[in-house]
Amino acid sequence: RKEVEQDPGPFNVPEGATVAFNCTYSNSASQSFFWYRQDCRKEPKLLMSVYSSGNEDGRFTAQLNRASQYISLLIRDSKLSDSATYLCVVNMGSGNTGKLIFGQGTTLQVKP
Amino acid sequence: NAGVTQTPKFRILKIGQSMTLQCTQDMNHNYMYWYRQDPGMGLKLIYYSVGAGITDKGEVPNGYNVSRSTTEDFPLRLELAAPSQTSVYFCASSLPGQINQPQHFGDGTRLSIL
Repeated sequence: RKEVEQDPGPFNVPEGATVAFNCTYSNSASQSFFWYRQDCRKEPKLLMSVYSSGNEDGRFTAQLNRASQYISLLIRDSKLSDSATYLCVVNMGSGNTGKLIFGQGTTLQVKP
Repeated sequence: NAGVTQTPKFRILKIGQSMTLQCTQDMNHNYMYWYRQDPGMGLKLIYYSVGAGITDKGEVPNGYNVSRSTTEDFPLRLELAAPSQTSVYFCASSLPGQINQPQHFGDGTRLSIL
C-alpha cells in the first residue's frame, strides 16, 4: 500500500461545479497534513494546511478523518484558474524532521 | 525576499558526467530538502537536512550526495549521471518542527541525461 494515495483523475468539471478529492494515508502516527497545488511544469505551492476540526479558506474546505486515515479537499464554485494538480501531503509521523510524503496528485480540469 | 533559489533551471548532461544543483534560501530556515519528480508522479525525497552540518537520506538517495555547510545552502551532487536521473529536481525549505510547518519550494531544475 502506498504511504499516500490519491486518485490521479483527471477530474473534468464545468465552471461553477463543486468537486471533491480524497486522499488516504497509511501511517496512523502522522500529525501534519497539507494540500499543495502544482501548475504544469511549476513548483508545488501550499494551498492549505488541514486541521483536525476541518478548515475553510474561501471556496476551499479541507477535512481530516483520523479514524479512517483520509483527508479531503472540497472546491466550490470552480473557476478556470483552479485547473491544476492537487497534491495530498502527509508528514512521516513521530520525530522532528519535517519529512513529508507527497501523493502523486489529482489533476483537475475546469472547463468553460 | 527571494525565498528558495535553484540554479540552473535547465541542464542537459551526458551519461557519466557529474554536476551540482545549487539551492539557497534566505528565510533562515533550518530544514532543507531535495526532491525529484518524474512525469505524472509525485515528489520523492532524495536527501534532507535539519541544520548546518547535518544531512540524512530520504526515499531515493542512490546516485546523489549532499552537503550543508551553511544554513542558506544545500547543494545536490550527481557524480555519475545516468538516464534514470532524468527528472525535475525541487529544493525546499521549512522552519523547524513537524507540526503544520509547510515547505517552500524553488522553481525547480529540469535535468536531462542523454
